[in-house]
Amino acid sequence: DAGVIQSPRHEVTEMGQEVTLRCKPISGHDYLFWYRQTMMRGLELLIYFNNNVPIDDSGMPEDRFSAKMPNASFSTLKIQPSEPRDSAVYFCASSLTSGTFYEQYFGPGTRLTVT
Amino acid sequence: AQSVTQLGSHVSVSEGALVLLRCNYSSSVPPYLFWYVQYPNQGLQLLLKYTSAATLVKGINGFEAEFKKSETSFHLTKPSAHMSDAAEYFCAVSDGGGNEKLTFGTGTRLTIIP
Repeated sequence: DAGVIQSPRHEVTEMGQEVTLRCKPISGHDYLFWYRQTMMRGLELLIYFNNNVPIDDSGMPEDRFSAKMPNASFSTLKIQPSEPRDSAVYFCASSLTSGTFYEQYFGPGTRLTVT
Repeated sequence: AQSVTQLGSHVSVSEGALVLLRCNYSSSVPPYLFWYVQYPNQGLQLLLKYTSAATLVKGINGFEAEFKKSETSFHLTKPSAHMSDAAEYFCAVSDGGGNEKLTFGTGTRLTIIP
């Protein structure tokens, strides 16, 4: 299995630009999670989906952030407009609830730098 | 709501010494507990998990953890530290009651002294 795939691995953009992060979960997994990691705030859950439907987006910092999951094999996290304080590593994770105990499998992350 | 507390944001041990990383949990129902490891510039990787089958859980790379209900603890240990163990370690909890979210601790950075 290829694991969770994220792209790009690194993104550098200027303040005000739109940023789109992409995630392909492990095939067959029915949950997908987006996290943000910074030195100051640690690991934060932004939003998660079950069977492509958003379940809890209470962690999304503000309206500049949006996430979609158009199908079971693809999700995006968009920031528009981006700000320097959005600089962080963004992780995608997926899990399979049937026959498991909710362990999540993480992608390698996207390191976002907003200048 | 469940939560975990990791005592010690930084732990240093000598190569070959015992590794002990502490995690205490709070949960209103029997929890599922996890330890994840994050190597530099990588995502989190599952080390081991407790799902009530056995209180002593063995994971990858020689790590193990013991679930102690009376102490609400799930400490991570390794008998002999190796340089390659240097990483950040996260404890996480799920109540398993249909709550698919994991609640993560703040992490413990492990440094190995040669």
